[in-house]
Amino acid sequence: AQKVTQAQTEISVVEKEDVTLDCVYETRDTTYYLFWYKQPPSGELVFLIRRNSFDEQNEISGRYSWNFQKSTSSFNFTITASQVVDSAVYFCALSESPGGGADGLTFGKGTHLIIQP
Amino acid sequence: DGGITQSPKYLFRKEGQNVTLSCEQNLNHDAMYWYRQDPGQGLRLIYYSQIVNDFQKGDIAEGYSVSREKKESFPLTVTSAQKNPTAFYLCASRLDRVDQPQHFGDGTRLSIL
Repeated sequence: AQKVTQAQTEISVVEKEDVTLDCVYETRDTTYYLFWYKQPPSGELVFLIRRNSFDEQNEISGRYSWNFQKSTSSFNFTITASQVVDSAVYFCALSESPGGGADGLTFGKGTHLIIQP
Repeated sequence: DGGITQSPKYLFRKEGQNVTLSCEQNLNHDAMYWYRQDPGQGLRLIYYSQIVNDFQKGDIAEGYSVSREKKESFPLTVTSAQKNPTAFYLCASRLDRVDQPQHFGDGTRLSIL
């Protein structure tokens, strides 16, 4: 069975601080895909990134970066120089297929990130 | 603009009533999904459909029903058998290509009166 754990329920930082959101996963599949989604107060989930299990290269996209470590089954997300607009709930998710599966994604419980001005 | 439209945004139901949540997409996506989100919880899969006239139960299908008569539409009915229906419901869709992720609608918040 697949499982995603986001141990941080809520994080509050002051604007311009760096912040890391943790994600630990469990799966028996040798091929799998990890995702991060952002849920702003409006409710919709916004796709941020997908990473497959064979690619452990870190990725950077502007102020966002992701650290995938297979050895510790972690896929952590760092926001550098945080901004108030980054305030949202962030979900880490897991699937056995790249599109989120014929049978959907397995989500963590989410981390509520609050960026204070 | 292309996208996924869920309606209504807020929905109230009396106990014992069935209620249907709408999800329409004009992205020509093949697969569609329904998730339920409870406070402090992740999303849990209710039903999914890969093609028209076919759908499968997810992890928490009891008390729900769906139909997929058209490619662009995947309505979810919350029946009176669902004992705790108050939640935020999210619809998603994706193109059936290996590199395409799921895209989500804005959600419907259902409350019991």
